[in-house]
Amino acid sequence: NAGVMQNPRHLVRRRGQEARLRCSPMKGHSHVYWYRQLPEEGLKFMVYLQKENIIDESGMPKERFSAEFPKEGPSILRIQQVVRGDSAAYFCASSPRIDGDYGYTFGSGTRLTVV
Amino acid sequence: RKEVEQDPGPFNVPEGATVAFNCTYSNSASQSFFWYRQDCRKEPKLLMSVYSSGNEDGRFTAQLNRASQYISLLIRDSKLSDSATYLCVVNPRGGGNKLTFGTGTQLKVEL
Repeated sequence: NAGVMQNPRHLVRRRGQEARLRCSPMKGHSHVYWYRQLPEEGLKFMVYLQKENIIDESGMPKERFSAEFPKEGPSILRIQQVVRGDSAAYFCASSPRIDGDYGYTFGSGTRLTVV
Repeated sequence: RKEVEQDPGPFNVPEGATVAFNCTYSNSASQSFFWYRQDCRKEPKLLMSVYSSGNEDGRFTAQLNRASQYISLLIRDSKLSDSATYLCVVNPRGGGNKLTFGTGTQLKVEL
């Protein structure tokens, strides 16, 4: 029973490059959430997706960030033209439904370093 | 005011001590509550849900006071392995399971 799988675990990008972070939810889970954790800070919600749909992207920066969860394959968080301030741990979580009476299961995260 | 507020700590306690963490939330319509644990440079892991009636899991007891918008976590007979950051988490009503995390309280259990 694989949990939430994120890759890569560590990603180094130069300023101006693109970063692609991947997340495969737990089997049977159709809801995916992306969170960002800056150094010494709490987790901040970014985006909530279901298959082929963005449900809530209220936490996404207006520019350079996008997310998708295609019918086939993992969810992708894409950051274009990365800047140093994008360096953070990005966690993905999944859940089977949205009634909210249980917590998420998180992946191990991708640690992005922009140099 | 932050949606979820916690004392950041650190709480340094000797092994075997009892320690309590508190958390307040601002949205009175919040519908579900959790405590997560996060070890250094690891992902958060669900520790327990929190119910108005209170719930206990071994050495851990969680309590919710809706009137005061207050959540607590009590750890009895603390172990070295309990050292971690404890995150208070709230699901606002209508949030579509979009959980809001506190910044966490750091616990260090020492010999």
